[in-house]
Amino acid sequence: ETGVTQTPRHLVMGMTNKKSLKCEQHLGHNAMYWYKQSAKKPLELMFVYNFKEQTENNSVPSRFSPECPNSSHLFLHLHTLQPEDSALYLCASSQPIKLEQGANSYEQYFGPGTRLTVT
Amino acid sequence: RKEVEQDPGPFNVPEGATVAFNCTYSNSASQSFFWYRQDCRKEPKLLMSVYSSGNEDGRFTAQLNRASQYISLLIRDSKLSDSATYLCVVKGSGGYNKLIFGAGTRLAVHP
Repeated sequence: ETGVTQTPRHLVMGMTNKKSLKCEQHLGHNAMYWYKQSAKKPLELMFVYNFKEQTENNSVPSRFSPECPNSSHLFLHLHTLQPEDSALYLCASSQPIKLEQGANSYEQYFGPGTRLTVT
Repeated sequence: RKEVEQDPGPFNVPEGATVAFNCTYSNSASQSFFWYRQDCRKEPKLLMSVYSSGNEDGRFTAQLNRASQYISLLIRDSKLSDSATYLCVVKGSGGYNKLIFGAGTRLAVHP
């Protein structure tokens, strides 16, 4: 197993259901992210975890609840979602890489995503 | 104003053509810049980083103009396999992991 994996790849759930998305990275990275991608909109950062600590919550509704038990695993727990939450949910991981003096870049490696449909 | 703005396209070009995409960003304190590529129904992947002095990788050339807060990507000798959405990405000044993505420019290369 290599790179960043996500399960399930597709999920259909009702508004009263509770489900979880799982992400696993095999790259030895120390940061993991959840993004939401809706049709014709930019990727929206939802959460950032660094060394298992949440360092960013981008004003995400509480019906989305992240969990990061260790540096390799990230979950997104879903409950009482709305139809407008239907989207592609992408997980990513990164490690700091210094490309040139005075600058740092943090290439993010993405998983294949979970396509979520809320009915 | 959006933090990262791109022309959504689509750009329809024949094989062999040269095509250029532009991107503007609003935060003058932004530190690092990238182009990602996203194929239809796939995840984004890093295409190239954009250095202050400009950089080239094969048929791809990226330029940065900090004064105008403008990034460009030039693709020479387009191939059918270049058809994808190209995402302009900017790393903000605060929060060392936070990347801001543009909505993407769609490129369709036809025979």
